[in-house]
Amino acid sequence: RKEVEQDPGPFNVPEGATVAFNCTYSNSASQSFFWYRQDCRKEPKLLMSVYSSGNEDGRFTAQLNRASQYISLLIRDSKLSDSATYLCVVNSAGGSYIPTFGRGTSLIVHP
Amino acid sequence: DAGVIQSPRHEVTEMGQEVTLRCKPISGHNSLFWYRQTMMRGLELLIYFNNNVPIDDSGMPEDRFSAKMPNASFSTLKIQPSEPRDSAVYFCASSGPELGRSPLHFGNGTRLTVT
Repeated sequence: RKEVEQDPGPFNVPEGATVAFNCTYSNSASQSFFWYRQDCRKEPKLLMSVYSSGNEDGRFTAQLNRASQYISLLIRDSKLSDSATYLCVVNSAGGSYIPTFGRGTSLIVHP
Repeated sequence: DAGVIQSPRHEVTEMGQEVTLRCKPISGHNSLFWYRQTMMRGLELLIYFNNNVPIDDSGMPEDRFSAKMPNASFSTLKIQPSEPRDSAVYFCASSGPELGRSPLHFGNGTRLTVT
């Protein structure tokens, strides 16, 4: 089992739709989690951290489920500009902290 | 605030040549990471430094790759000799101050093509 797994998609949704992505991780001792956004031929940029109690930033909601070892990202009222690849990052623990990236989920929002 | 600065943005070289990629982390960040991204393998961690000391280099593919961080504001990733399979986008990222809890901030990347 890969350390961090994501459905590659693409998720193809109309403007205004709600879309959700999941990301599973294998190391139960993982301590911190993030969602990044990467546009084509650009660097990954931090979208939001994921807190244990769940957190929201405008149209974006992130949640953590430690029991099932996954994090999720919910995007409400999708915009064309949300089209990108969404990467989850899990910081493993135990000696050295290694940020491990998922392969990313591609989102395409169409008119 | 200046972000992570990488140079060059693009590098095209012939097989067998030495390639040096450079990175200046965000001032005050004490961790620096080198990643490689390809379509086939996604983002792979090559090596990371904490307080200028290499902590984990298990991702460095082979002896042709080496990385240094002589001070808190500069790091290099060197490939010698380069091979076509090294073609990829190489990202440098920095974070701080809580290792393992602070998010990464990426530079624009160096797009390397080895012919």
